Amino acid sequence: EAQVTQNPRYLITVTGKKLTVTCSQNMNHEYMSWYRQDPGLGLRQIYYSMNVEVTDKGDVPEGYKVSRKEKRNFPLILESPSPNQTSLYFCASSRGGDTQYFGPGTRLTVL
Amino acid sequence: AQSVAQPEDQVNVAEGNPLTVKCTYSVSGNPYLFWYVQYPNRGLQFLLKYITGDNLVKGSYGFEAEFNKSQTSFHLKKPSALVSDSALYFCAVRDPGWDSGYSTLTFGKGTMLLVSP
Repeated sequence: EAQVTQNPRYLITVTGKKLTVTCSQNMNHEYMSWYRQDPGLGLRQIYYSMNVEVTDKGDVPEGYKVSRKEKRNFPLILESPSPNQTSLYFCASSRGGDTQYFGPGTRLTVL
Repeated sequence: AQSVAQPEDQVNVAEGNPLTVKCTYSVSGNPYLFWYVQYPNRGLQFLLKYITGDNLVKGSYGFEAEFNKSQTSFHLKKPSALVSDSALYFCAVRDPGWDSGYSTLTFGKGTMLLVSP
């Protein structure tokens, strides 16, 4: 089954404790992206990747890092999480500029 | 900079009635336009897209959307709403600079559709 998986689905952590949210796709897509969803703000792009070792900032990259060492994986790293990063996070993948396929989401709470 | 506006936070419609969820956009060139739906506690699911060609696009679950270049709109429609259509709907536009290697997908803030029995 073609899918995008994210782990963990739910995470509660404390300020300053480094964390990684994993994202994996099995569709051999070149393009992957991370979004955060906040009430009243819709989805905002954090980072995206055109292919292995090629990443770029989206609209709200501050406080986040990403890496793309393998085509299927695109982890999101929060080196020092803060409460304003409490949000619902989505990973997505696509073939070029076509339709994006979204993961199930990761709900992060930073205390 | 590109942008997407969904002017209604919520749309209420009775089951069996037609529904419209509005979307307008702003980009510098010819846009790629998308509609996604999000059911409670789920990720986003693709509904339909406009890239080029016929202005009326048909998608999943009986939804359709009409691309209107002069009004820069891409409204989502369905002739007869179902209670199960109740969800959060997002319009999105892709930067036409995609072909140059730069890409971004901008989403609207979302419109909650509530279909009453």
